[in-house]
Amino acid sequence: AQSVSQHNHHVILSEAASLELGCNYSYGGTVNLFWYVQYPGQHLQLLLKYFSGDPLVKGIKGFEAEFIKSKFSFNLRKPSVQWSDTAEYFCAVMGNFNKFYFGSGTKLNVKP
Amino acid sequence: KAGVTQTPRYLIKTRGQQVTLSCSPISGHRSVSWYQQTPGQGLQFLFEYFSETQRNKGNFPGRFSGRQFSNSRSEMNVSTLELGDSALYLCASSLGASGAVQETQYFGPGTRLLVL
Repeated sequence: AQSVSQHNHHVILSEAASLELGCNYSYGGTVNLFWYVQYPGQHLQLLLKYFSGDPLVKGIKGFEAEFIKSKFSFNLRKPSVQWSDTAEYFCAVMGNFNKFYFGSGTKLNVKP
Repeated sequence: KAGVTQTPRYLIKTRGQQVTLSCSPISGHRSVSWYQQTPGQGLQFLFEYFSETQRNKGNFPGRFSGRQFSNSRSEMNVSTLELGDSALYLCASSLGASGAVQETQYFGPGTRLLVL
């Protein structure tokens, strides 16, 4: 069965620290990969996505993610976090017929 | 272009009742997917509708059902509500063209359902 794992459920960082959130998936076919963010009190927003090409994907607000096919991973990174990055982050895989599989989410708390 | 809208935004029901939630996709989008978000289970896929037909279904009991109208608006119905159905129900729309590879979903703000 297809699944998406986010190993870090809760991450606490100070401002200016670097961020890396892990995402591993199990899916046998061609995958399209996404990271979504949900800020407190707001709805889900797309951060970045990977369909093909350069495995290093740049997203909004300084986020990037690297697709490593051999490791079935799509980790999210940001060199220097800000207090405004406090949110919940979801990794997602889209398989056949637009079916999405979401990870359980990682709550990021950035201390000012 | 207006985003995905969901109504109502908040709802309180009691056990055993039924509820209907509504989702209006972005204009031109034909695919609507429904998700349930809870603190314990995270985000789970309920089902997807495309051109008035259910195209995909997640692993939820038959109490959860949906439909899509010719204008792509979708409704989700939950019958015989249980306490565990308390959640944020999210709707997402996409162009949904059959076989398309480059698809992305746009989420609505959700309907928060509380079952007492």
